[in-house]
Amino acid sequence: SQTIHQWPATLVQPVGSPLSLECTVEGTSNPNLYWYRQAAGRGLQLLFYSVGIGQISSEVPQNLSASRPQDRQFILSSKKLLLSDSGFYLCAWSPGGPTEAFFGQGTRLTVV
Amino acid sequence: QKEVEQNSGPLSVPEGAIASLNCTYSDRGSQSFFWYRQYSGKSPELIMSIYSNGDKEDGRFTAQLNKASQYVSLLIRDSQPSDSATYLCAVNISGNKLVFGAGTILRVKS
Repeated sequence: SQTIHQWPATLVQPVGSPLSLECTVEGTSNPNLYWYRQAAGRGLQLLFYSVGIGQISSEVPQNLSASRPQDRQFILSSKKLLLSDSGFYLCAWSPGGPTEAFFGQGTRLTVV
Repeated sequence: QKEVEQNSGPLSVPEGAIASLNCTYSDRGSQSFFWYRQYSGKSPELIMSIYSNGDKEDGRFTAQLNKASQYVSLLIRDSQPSDSATYLCAVNISGNKLVFGAGTILRVKS
């Protein structure tokens, strides 16, 4: 069966510090991968999605970037965090095409 | 215009009643539609998928799709306090891009 791993579960970072969040999927090949952010009390904002290695679509211009160095690995990065980057970051995968997505446990990021 | 729109609620229903959640979307070419449930502090979990016009039933849940009206709904029969959560509508746009609405908060009162 397929599983998705996302870590860490919680993170407190100072303003201006770098960020790296990693997500890996097991039990499938060539999945679509997604990064979402959820601000407190808000819906899911699509940040990036990827349909293959090295292929990244950016939805929201900001100081975040994403990379997919391997088929089942998706990384979210920032060089300098802002207070507004605080939120619940969720990685998800889907088999590809117009199918449902499945979420990791999320990372709660607090920028102080 | 937002790609996926939902009423934020909260929607309050008594235990045992039917809860009706609604969602509209803007991309007429969208082919797949999903409902997720999210408990506070947790990640969303998939509860229903629907791809064709009409109704799809799974236990106490019924999803309804009307592509002509660009409208998706979720009915929860015999609502239970454990159904209290945020319900997120998701639409797959352009084949690979999965976009969510802001979610509707449901409160089931015992």
